[in-house]
Amino acid sequence: EAAVTQSPRNKVTVTGGNVTLSCRQTNSHNYMYWYRQDTGHGLRLIHYSYGAGNLQIGDVPDGYKATRTTQEDFFLLLELASPSQTSLYFCASSDAVRDWGGEDTQYFGPGTRLLVL
Amino acid sequence: GDSVTQTEGLVTLTEGLPVMLNCTYQTIYSNPFLFWYVQHLNESPRLLLKSFTDNKRTEHQGFHATLHKSSSSFHLQKSSAQLSDSALYYCALSPTGGLSGKLTFGEGTQVTVIS
Repeated sequence: EAAVTQSPRNKVTVTGGNVTLSCRQTNSHNYMYWYRQDTGHGLRLIHYSYGAGNLQIGDVPDGYKATRTTQEDFFLLLELASPSQTSLYFCASSDAVRDWGGEDTQYFGPGTRLLVL
Repeated sequence: GDSVTQTEGLVTLTEGLPVMLNCTYQTIYSNPFLFWYVQHLNESPRLLLKSFTDNKRTEHQGFHATLHKSSSSFHLQKSSAQLSDSALYYCALSPTGGLSGKLTFGEGTQVTVIS
């Protein structure tokens, strides 16, 4: 099974603070994703990427930036954190191939719990 | 746009009784992939089962689901609920079978099994 790790696992910051969440996958998957999970809303896609240097806008991108520096590493940036961004954040990866399809099962990391005071 | 509807937000079941979780979807594409993910408490979501074949039953770990394109449905079933089935269940749609790399998730159904 795919290995996806996230750091930190827990983070507390203040309103207006700067936060970076990190994700690494070690299975050479093409796609990586950032989701937030909130009660009543399920999993919502923030940003995703199909390779190093690529970024695709998800469904709830406002207030978030992301960067894919390598095949393995995908970062989520909150430059001016707000209390509405308090959430559980999941990173995921899949081996889908852009414009071709293939194995698009997503494998999730353990999550990062973020609290913005 | 694409969407997934899970009509039950919370379900409480008695151990040993059958489970059925509803999932319907909307997409303009004719060959979608449908998934069920399960998330136990303090864990991350993981794949339970998936299908892209119309009218074919897919089974895994005692659960089964059949994709019915005619009704745009992919309901999850199990004949006998166990306490360990208590979890959050997500139905998800890949409208183009991986071409876009993106899944659309429903809002989830929280299942609690009681003895």
